[in-house]
Amino acid sequence: QKEVEQDPGPLSVPEGAIVSLNCTYSNSAFQYFMWYRQYSRKGPELLMYTYSSGNKEDGRFTAQVDKSSKYISLFIRDSQPSDSATYLCAVSSWGKLQFGAGTQVVVTP
Amino acid sequence: EPEVTQTPSHQVTQMGQEVILRCVPISNHLYFYWYRQILGQKVEFLVSFYNNEISEKSEIFDDQFSVERPDGSNFTLKIRSTKLEDSAMYFCASMGTSTDTQYFGPGTRLTVL
Repeated sequence: QKEVEQDPGPLSVPEGAIVSLNCTYSNSAFQYFMWYRQYSRKGPELLMYTYSSGNKEDGRFTAQVDKSSKYISLFIRDSQPSDSATYLCAVSSWGKLQFGAGTQVVVTP
Repeated sequence: EPEVTQTPSHQVTQMGQEVILRCVPISNHLYFYWYRQILGQKVEFLVSFYNNEISEKSEIFDDQFSVERPDGSNFTLKIRSTKLEDSAMYFCASMGTSTDTQYFGPGTRLTVL
């Protein structure tokens, strides 16, 4: 069983729609949960970080963690064409990050 | 805003040659990492480094790989004898002490011919 499962997409949405992304993980020892954005052939850029179950909001982005289900989500409100990228979930227990495969998101004008 | 930098952005080498990839982590960070991403695949952990020694490494990080912090600012990854399958993007990351939040550099694209 993979440590982190993430649907690779692509996920295509019209501008202004809500983008909904999710990952599942297998090991309950993971305590830290992150979402990164990656543009083609660039480094991952940290978007959201959380370590507790519940919601965390930052501007148009909301990260959600459900530790009982081992499920993490990222929501992007009012999506823009500039949000088109690959979104990576990552989990860790300290240090080493385990990444999902990344979901490619395309926001069409 | 402080950022992780990496050089070169692209390195082309012949199979069997040695390469050194360089990183300058964020200045007050103490934990350093290397990851790689083969084209079309997920980002994979290679090695973590703290207090001048390796703290954890993956099965990918075999005897052909080594890391070093030669001075107070640089962090390097050396591949002694490159193979075709080493072709990938290599990312350096660094982390401070207050949170488990790693910041990534822009990557070095390594092409082994």
